Amino acid sequence: GAVVSQHPSWVICKSGTSVKIECRSLDFQATTMFWYRQFPKQSLMLMATSNEGSKATYEQGVEKDKFLINHASLTLSTLTVTSAHPEDSSFYICSARLSLAETDTQYFGPGTRLTVL
Amino acid sequence: AQSVTQLDSQVPVFEEAPVELRCNYSSSVSVYLFWYVQYPNQGLQLLLKYLSGSTLVKGINGFEAEFNKSQTSFHLRKPSVHISDTAEYFCAVRAYFGNEKLTFGTGTRLTIIP
Repeated sequence: GAVVSQHPSWVICKSGTSVKIECRSLDFQATTMFWYRQFPKQSLMLMATSNEGSKATYEQGVEKDKFLINHASLTLSTLTVTSAHPEDSSFYICSARLSLAETDTQYFGPGTRLTVL
Repeated sequence: AQSVTQLDSQVPVFEEAPVELRCNYSSSVSVYLFWYVQYPNQGLQLLLKYLSGSTLVKGINGFEAEFNKSQTSFHLRKPSVHISDTAEYFCAVRAYFGNEKLTFGTGTRLTIIP
């Protein structure tokens, strides 16, 4: 089946530093990837849609200068949280869209737990 | 735009009993429908999906769901649950065309009681 990986699975950093999270589609090419944020006991909040070779589309209220997204290849998208602060602590989940003639489905990565001290 | 309602935030069920998790949606266009499961501290795993064809969809782990267009529902069912089914379940929809975004419900926490 379609597999999406994320790295790292968890990260702890000091306030003011930047953190990069990688999202890879391991066995398929994904022209579109998505980044979500999830707070405890809540649903997923879409942050941005990432298309290979073009700028990401951010949802309303998401600071694009703080959450930098790069989709450099058909199998890799990265999210960089710049100048992280404690309020950025969250569970970040990426997904990759598999679009074929007979199916169109998003597959999710295992998530990255970010803790900013 | 689409919206998804999962009325039950928590559902406790005894082991080996049947369960139904409810999902209703609203959309002005035709949609694809999905159920995802999230185990603690993990990402989402696709349980099943309805794209077209038969309205009864079978997924992994013995789950199934039925698409009811007239009632705009996509309820998830399992005839006999196990302890390992304890997790958060999310219903989601996506429009056929245009908007690529998944719209999620708020989730239902399924707790299996031994």
